[in-house]
Amino acid sequence: QAQLQESGPGLVKASQTLSLTCTVSGDFIKGGDYYWNWVRQPPGKALEWIGNIYYTGNAYSNPSLRSRVSMSVDTSKNQFSLRLTSVTAADAAVYFCARGCRGGDCYFDSWGQGTLVTVSS
Amino acid sequence: DIQMTQSPSTLSASVGDRVTLTCRASQSISSSLAWYQQKPGKAPKVLISDVSRLKSGVPSRFSGSGSGTEFTLTISSLQPDDFATFYCQQYKSNPYTFGQGTKLEIK
Repeated sequence: QAQLQESGPGLVKASQTLSLTCTVSGDFIKGGDYYWNWVRQPPGKALEWIGNIYYTGNAYSNPSLRSRVSMSVDTSKNQFSLRLTSVTAADAAVYFCARGCRGGDCYFDSWGQGTLVTVSS
Repeated sequence: DIQMTQSPSTLSASVGDRVTLTCRASQSISSSLAWYQQKPGKAPKVLISDVSRLKSGVPSRFSGSGSGTEFTLTISSLQPDDFATFYCQQYKSNPYTFGQGTKLEIK
């Protein structure tokens, strides 16, 4: 079972950029068996898949966020990252990183503990 | 996008009860469905993939069934540790979408 840990600022100003990093242990991003995902959950609400990235750098994102999302991967550090630009109050959520999409089946079998991001005005 | 609708939103039940949670997809997703359990302040935990494939370590009192657009998660005999919120998720197509959740409460 992989262990994942999110890190990054817990407070972002509206209109600015949210940046988070996920550090993976117990698995190797470069192993190529999985895609590495971001999922968020506004307080008291349901889960929303943001996007994922492969070790090659190929990335896919939710069309609802595509214009504001970018992702990157650093296999030397076994990390992957999320950037979300022009944040608003609607982007306030717990952000999870997760492992998934083995064999093309994109469910998520290992998750980070989540990090709460608050958006200030 | 494929919309996932869960019912009921909240279910009150007692230890030992048999409960069934329902998830409906807005279009056919074949067998590309997973169920998760989430406890307050924690990450979701996958229970079942491919509609009915129990993940390693998940108690056998959990089972899943269905096909196409209608799916169920059944807990055969509720245990105290089972009270949580449950989400279904389709992975038939991008964007991968979750239901709004069913909160299982102690009666």
